[in-house]
Amino acid sequence: DAGITQSPRHKVTETGTPVTLRCHQTENHRYMYWYRQDPGHGLRLIHYSYGVKDTDKGEVSDGYSVSRSKTEDFLLTLESATSSQTSVYFCATVGGSYGYTFGSGTRLTVV
Amino acid sequence: RKEVEQDPGPFNVPEGATVAFNCTYSNSASQSFFWYRQDCRKEPKLLMSVYSSGNEDGRFTAQLNRASQYISLLIRDSKLSDSATYLCAPGLLGGGSQGNLIFGKGTKLSVKP
Repeated sequence: DAGITQSPRHKVTETGTPVTLRCHQTENHRYMYWYRQDPGHGLRLIHYSYGVKDTDKGEVSDGYSVSRSKTEDFLLTLESATSSQTSVYFCATVGGSYGYTFGSGTRLTVV
Repeated sequence: RKEVEQDPGPFNVPEGATVAFNCTYSNSASQSFFWYRQDCRKEPKLLMSVYSSGNEDGRFTAQLNRASQYISLLIRDSKLSDSATYLCAPGLLGGGSQGNLIFGKGTKLSVKP
């Protein structure tokens, strides 16, 4: 769906540096989500938002923070990246039939 | 018991075969259910919502068994293009707008010529 975009698509960063991933949606959805996907673990919820400035933690929130200052943007920040945060990160909003619509993902490598 | 369990596969089937996947969930409060398809190195895409009465979309049929807490996906007349990983996702409360989906790790399907 063209209604949700993630940036960057790929990023390589060094251990200890801060990293911010961006999710942008054009559908005016209230709910937005950040997941990470790793082999053997599947999709795991990091944080989610239920409105501007309203966010909550998911299953694997340690080491991550989020912000939502506008309906259309949901930012995920790794305060000090570690190798264990190497992953594929997906943003999602509520799509048709109340199922989620995912962005194309960000492949993050922490070296 | 894990929240959502799926057989990881791979299920290797010939074209034209019928294949079925099951997914069990532990939270009896789950009210909404979905099947997603994920191609290699791509994002998951919604395949079907699963209704209590079961639902069908072309070659795909989804069923829900609340008593036994599992959902199933049946694919008839498999095509090469059906090769992908299939994720199940039960959710709480009223669905995606209120409840967060919990995803299974997925079942990999490979359809061979």
